[in-house]
Amino acid sequence: KNEVEQSPQNLTAQEGEFITINCSYSVGISALHWLQQHPGGGIVSLFMLSSGKKKHGRLIATINIQEKHSSLHITASHPRDSAVYICAVGGGSEKLVFGKGTKLTVNP
Amino acid sequence: GAVVSQHPSWVICKSGTSVKIECRSLDFQATTMFWYRQFPKQSLMLMATSNEGSKATYEQGVEKDKFLINHASLTLSTLTVTSAHPEDSSFYICSARMRQSSSYEQYFGPGTRLTVT
Repeated sequence: KNEVEQSPQNLTAQEGEFITINCSYSVGISALHWLQQHPGGGIVSLFMLSSGKKKHGRLIATINIQEKHSSLHITASHPRDSAVYICAVGGGSEKLVFGKGTKLTVNP
Repeated sequence: GAVVSQHPSWVICKSGTSVKIECRSLDFQATTMFWYRQFPKQSLMLMATSNEGSKATYEQGVEKDKFLINHASLTLSTLTVTSAHPEDSSFYICSARMRQSSSYEQYFGPGTRLTVT
């Protein structure tokens, strides 16, 4: 079993839909990261969470430490949100363990 | 916010040559930088952890003599792929941890796509 599991692996949505991507982990962590990787490969850090909830524009990230689960939500999705979304968790060693990513396609 | 740059963004080289990739923290000092490799349709894999002024720590299976890492200053780390072979073709990504950060923020560079012909 992978230490970081993301679901779904692939997600197709229509523009305007509300999107949820889930991440479950089995290791102890100090922080959880949500990253966005566009088709060209570049990675953008979206959020770093250690508790609670963070919001940036149409993106919301939540984490439940007790349940070892995090969700990334996208409201009013747009085709430009199409990308691979990666969950990564970091423990005390600072090394990040990455999920396999969720490929999101938003159709106009 | 904290910005990490990489140069070049893409490079094509011939088999047997060496390629240097730079990772810079533009607006903060980074005591620790991380180098990752990503093969197509796979997750990022940590190659090595680089601390300023000391030798890099390599992950199991990563050849330290092939992937030379230098972290000479608080804003610059370099990865040199020596005697590159086609199987080294990959996407190389660095990240940097802010100095004196109380939590484990890592800021990622945009990546460098290496193609070895």
